[in-house]
Amino acid sequence: DAKTTQPNSMESNEEEPVHLPCNHSTISGTDYIHWYRQLPSQGPEYVIHGLTSNVNNRMASLAIAEDRKSSTLILHRATLRDAAVYYCIPTRGIQGAQKLVFGQGTRLTINP
Amino acid sequence: GAGVSQSPSNKVTEKGKDVELRCDPISGHTALYWYRQSLGQGLEFLIYFQGNSAPDKSGLPSDRFSAERTGGSVSTLTIQRTQQEDSAVYLCASSLAGRAPEAFFGQGTRLTVV
Repeated sequence: DAKTTQPNSMESNEEEPVHLPCNHSTISGTDYIHWYRQLPSQGPEYVIHGLTSNVNNRMASLAIAEDRKSSTLILHRATLRDAAVYYCIPTRGIQGAQKLVFGQGTRLTINP
Repeated sequence: GAGVSQSPSNKVTEKGKDVELRCDPISGHTALYWYRQSLGQGLEFLIYFQGNSAPDKSGLPSDRFSAERTGGSVSTLTIQRTQQEDSAVYLCASSLAGRAPEAFFGQGTRLTVV
């Protein structure tokens, strides 16, 4: 399984963009990159995923480096509700083998 | 539609007792995952079921832990002879099959061993 490196914590201000980095230099060619987040006292929730191209959805954008060894989750306008632990998770892109293994993640604090 | 449902939401048990934790996945989801999260810690993978394939049990911490999934739907995580270090929130998730499915998590069962 590919290993990931994320900063332990980050801090930002409300209504400003946030860029959360993830290093996954051992990723293989068929691995997808998933991002989940866990709000306080809740189970994790899916944020976004991608393979090679940058991806956008209503929650965030995912920018994937051309060599796929790193990616960045972008929250365009942070709100207080975005305070959470964010996890970057590579998964094998093979049917039936999408075990999600969570690392320590990045704890994001949003200042009002 | 209903999300992933776990029961009980809280369980207090005496050291040495057996406990069963239940997970009802989203209807039609073929993949089911169990995790545990100790206080202030990250999510620890326990076991993963996918369709009719043999489950990936690589995360079970000891032989006191077991899980089954009946009829490809409901799953039960059993912890025998509970220890105080088993105290944690146990989270279940389910997803569709596919190359990169989105997993949906339940609210968890908080287990306290006294």
